Amino acid sequence: DAEITQSPRHKITETGRQVTLACHQTWNHNNMFWYRQDLGHGLRLIHYSYGVQDTNKGEVSDGYSVSRSNTEDLPLTLESAASSQTSVYFCASSESSRRTEAFFGQGTRLTVV
Amino acid sequence: KNEVEQSPQNLTAQEGEFITINCSYSVGISALHWLQQHPGGGIVSLFMLSSGKKKHGRLIATINIQEKHSSLHITASHPRDSAVYICALRGNGDKLIFGTGTRLQVFP
Repeated sequence: DAEITQSPRHKITETGRQVTLACHQTWNHNNMFWYRQDLGHGLRLIHYSYGVQDTNKGEVSDGYSVSRSNTEDLPLTLESAASSQTSVYFCASSESSRRTEAFFGQGTRLTVV
Repeated sequence: KNEVEQSPQNLTAQEGEFITINCSYSVGISALHWLQQHPGGGIVSLFMLSSGKKKHGRLIATINIQEKHSSLHITASHPRDSAVYICALRGNGDKLIFGTGTRLQVFP
């Protein structure tokens, strides 16, 4: 069965370190998205990609970067982790059609100390 | 003003009760999603709607495009329905705009 997986599920890191969160999907979807979820906020868009070599900034992109070298993966990098980036991160994928569902990974809980 | 508003924010019910969660929005959309998130868990898509009504088991979702309003109903609620239910708008470029969620607790 096709799926979307995130790793790691939990991560504790120190302020200033570079951290990369992995997202891998086997749906062969063109669209991939990274969101963060914080108490009091809905999920907010960090970065997204519509295909290989395409990346775009979302509403809360400062301090984050992504790259898309193949269809399956969209890793999210925190260049220099800050305590404000402590959050739960969700990756999602969808096909480029309004008729298709969006699929979400299980989430990565990141704590920056 | 937020583009998407959910109500109520919190909901407590007894097992067997009929549940309604509402979602109102203020922007044009191509579709609306209802999502479910259990505590500490991932996010699962329950429905994607662009018009009318959909039913899956005890869950029913409706949308009124003209009034920019959608509802999620749970019939014969059960403790395993306890979760956060999230309304998400699908707009330009398939990006999603999320509501802040409705926390539902169903007691036996």
